[in-house]
Order: sequence, then structure tokens, then C-alpha cells
Amino acid sequence: GAGVSQSPRYKVAKRGQDVALRCDPISGHVSLFWYQQALGQGPEFLTYFQNEAQLDKSGLPSDRFFAERPEGSVSTLKIQRTQQEDSAVYLCASSQMSVRANYGYTFGSGTRLTVV
Amino acid sequence: QQQVKQSPQSLIVQKGGIPIINCAYENTAFDYFPWYQQFPGKGPALLIAIRPDVSEKKEGRFTISFNKSAKQFSLHIMDSQPGDSATYFCAASTGSGAGSYQLTFGKGTKLSVIP
Repeated sequence: GAGVSQSPRYKVAKRGQDVALRCDPISGHVSLFWYQQALGQGPEFLTYFQNEAQLDKSGLPSDRFFAERPEGSVSTLKIQRTQQEDSAVYLCASSQMSVRANYGYTFGSGTRLTVV
Repeated sequence: QQQVKQSPQSLIVQKGGIPIINCAYENTAFDYFPWYQQFPGKGPALLIAIRPDVSEKKEGRFTISFNKSAKQFSLHIMDSQPGDSATYFCAASTGSGAGSYQLTFGKGTKLSVIP
């Protein structure tokens, strides 16, 4: 596609509910990233995929967070037993190159998750 | 530990003015410094970026000034327009090694350009 597509755009979850957020990167992009952006803050790194391999998950805040990219294209970020502190915008980005942030990411518009 | 400190938090300028946003970093391994622009409801978009081997870079109305010894860099927007009203983020990444693909962002500056 022309850009990075994320769905749903908005998600309201009750505390304790599991959620799944989807990211469709730009076709052919090797690298895929997930960032979390709390209200009024800058994005914070969660995890990085190179094709289907998850090379870095150091930013995932707890074992309730899980990400996958089984075929090296679409990725899903899953959050189990959601808590109020999980409320944020979850941004997906993709990049044509295999490494290095300085080749430029293209971000999607994000999924706004609200946990009530 | 906040590795990239950004100021001011918000900024209001008249059309045609030159808003300046400042960032300071701590990690001397950082070697790539991009600025992102974010409109409400959208993801951040790359605006301009600089490496520490140059002190200034211009792209259209946007200029980055870089001071390696002070570990500071700033964004200047010339002849600002109401359409420039957005939140601006500075960021940084390292050149190599673990995490070189990660961007560390500042907290953002909300810019409002008044007609």
C-alpha cells in the first residue's frame, strides 16, 4: 500500500480484556517497529522486526505484551489483561532498510487504546 | 532516565516569525538526529535530520543547528505559517551496535502559529 496502515484506529477495552492491534507495513519493507506514545509524550520504542524475526523486544513493558510478524509482512501487537496504564497510542512504523533508524521510518497513524 | 530533553513544551508565534525548538542529549554515542512533525491524529513524519559532522543543515524553511561540544541541537522554522502548527519531536539514535535502529524521542513541543 501507499502507507503504513493500522487498525483499529480506536479501541476501548475494559480492564482485564485482551486486545490485538494490527499493522500493515508498506509493501516490501523489511523492518517493522512498534512504538508506544502516551498522551503528551514522545513515542517510546517497544519492539523491532526484521522480516519475520523479532530482533529486539527490550522495550515491551511487561510479559503481557506480545508481538508477532509470522510471514514477514503484517504484524500484530497483543496486550493481555489490559491495565489502565496501557492506555496510549500504539504506533507502527516500517522501513525499507534492514537496520538503522537513520534510513527513515514511515509511521502509521496509530491505534488509540483506552482502557476503562 | 530521559536521554533527549526538549524545550519548550509549547510555543506560540505570529505568522512569519521564527520559532526555535531546542534539544539536549546525554548519550555521546548518538550520531543521528532527526526531527519529526506530528499533526493531531497522525503518526510522526520525518522533517529533517542531521549527523554530528556538520553544524547546520537547511531544507526549505527548516534549519537544524548542531553543537556537538554542548550536546545540543535545535530546529528553526523560517517564515512560519499557520500550516506549521503541529507538535515537533526531536530524536536521536546511535550509529552502530545494539539498538542502532531505535529512536529515542524528546517529549515534544506544541507549536501554534497565529495568523
